[in-house]
Amino acid sequence: GAGVSQSPSNKVTEKGKDVELRCDPISGHTALYWYRQSLGQGLEFLIYFQGNSAPDKSGLPSDRFSAERTGGSVSTLTIQRTQQEDSAVYLCASDLGETQYFGPGTRLLVL
Amino acid sequence: SQKIEQNSEALNIQEGKTATLTCNYTNYSPAYLQWYRQDPGRGPVFLLLIRENEKEKRKERLKVTFDTTLKQSLFHITASQPADSATYLCALLTGGGNKLTFGTGTQLKVEL
Repeated sequence: GAGVSQSPSNKVTEKGKDVELRCDPISGHTALYWYRQSLGQGLEFLIYFQGNSAPDKSGLPSDRFSAERTGGSVSTLTIQRTQQEDSAVYLCASDLGETQYFGPGTRLLVL
Repeated sequence: SQKIEQNSEALNIQEGKTATLTCNYTNYSPAYLQWYRQDPGRGPVFLLLIRENEKEKRKERLKVTFDTTLKQSLFHITASQPADSATYLCALLTGGGNKLTFGTGTQLKVEL
């Protein structure tokens, strides 16, 4: 596809479980970003990849959150031991220049 | 502290009128500012970018101004249409790469 894709689109999990969210950026885009958007809130930066390295992971809220990117393409965001406050929409974006292209997001609900 | 503020109250206007949305920021010196549109259940979509040395940028019915002295950007939609109803987010370049910091957005509703 031409755009950024994310999977799953929705995820319901129980507190304490681990979840893995996936992002497929636009082919050729070297930069990839993860954001979190809680209900009625703005986008909160989590982590930025340039290629496979993460020069800025300052937004990760705790050590339960981690992300990796392989082959300069697909990225996964992993949340361990999920908590109810992790419930949000997780958005991924990629860019080649100054414009970020967003995926549709993964809606995570932690019960 | 660093802050980006957008009017949290929804803006309701009549079709055909000009909508004006505000983005104020403190303690940033961004090289550029961007505006995005977000529809319910979707990711934001890029609309316009304006650089620190530009005062105004236009694209079709959209106009953005950027006043680095006032630390403010205004986003205008002229001849508004119901299809313009969405949440509009401003974002500043604040870090390495193209790291953006977003405002909380303003919801616009254009009524017939």
